[in-house]
Amino acid sequence: AQTVTQSQPEMSVQEAETVTLSCTYDTSESDYYLFWYKQPPSRQMILVIRQEAYKQQNATENRFSVNFQKAAKSFSLKISDSQLGDAAMYFCAYRSSEWYSGGGADGLTFGKGTHLIIQP
Amino acid sequence: DTAVSQTPKYLVTQMGNDKSIKCEQNLGHDTMYWYKQDSKKFLKIMFSYNNKELIINETVPNRFSPKSPDKAHLNLHINSLELGDSAVYFCASSQGTGVGQPQHFGDGTRLSIL
Repeated sequence: AQTVTQSQPEMSVQEAETVTLSCTYDTSESDYYLFWYKQPPSRQMILVIRQEAYKQQNATENRFSVNFQKAAKSFSLKISDSQLGDAAMYFCAYRSSEWYSGGGADGLTFGKGTHLIIQP
Repeated sequence: DTAVSQTPKYLVTQMGNDKSIKCEQNLGHDTMYWYKQDSKKFLKIMFSYNNKELIINETVPNRFSPKSPDKAHLNLHINSLELGDSAVYFCASSQGTGVGQPQHFGDGTRLSIL
C-alpha cells in the first residue's frame, strides 16, 4: 500500500516570503498522480495543484509550484509571496493508477498535513 | 451554487443511534467518495462509488454503508454509532475514475458522539 509522509507538522513564514512544504511518498507504481490540497479553518478541502508522475515538468499555479523528484519520491510545494489567506492545513495526496489498490478504496491517500502559519 | 453539498454540517447524537449524512453533487460527476478526518486531521478514504460499483476500504466497519439513489447522490448511513466514530466526514466527487481527475470536496459534516 502507498504511504504519504509530511514531516513538518507546522511551518511558519512571514507574509510576502517564500515557504516550502515537504512531502515524500512510497510506491512501487510508475504511473500515478500527486496532489496538494489546502484546508483553511472553514474546513473546505481545496485543490491547490496536481502533478502527473509521467510529466517531468514541475506543475505551477500562480504563486504555487511543486518540486517533483520522482526518483527520490519527493513532492514539495513552494508558496511564493505568502499571503495571510494562505494560512491553512496543507495535505499532500497520492492517487494510484490502479482501480483496485489492494484492499483500499480507490481514493486519495493523504499525508498527515502541515499547518502553515503566516506571520503578518 | 455549491458543487458538492453535505447535510447536516454538524451532527450530535448518542452512542448506539443510527444516523445518515446526505451528499449531493451538481457537477455531473459519475464517481463519488466518502472520507473520514479524525481528530488529528488525518484523512482516510472510506468508500468510492462509480457506475453502481462500490469499493470499500477494508478497514471500514460494516456499520457504515453508503447508499446511492442516483448518480448525483451518495449518502452515508451509520448504524450503532460508537465513540470512535466522532470525526469530520467528507464527501467528494470526480468525473470518471481517471487517476488524474481532481476530486471536489464538500464542506464536511462534523459528527460528535456523546
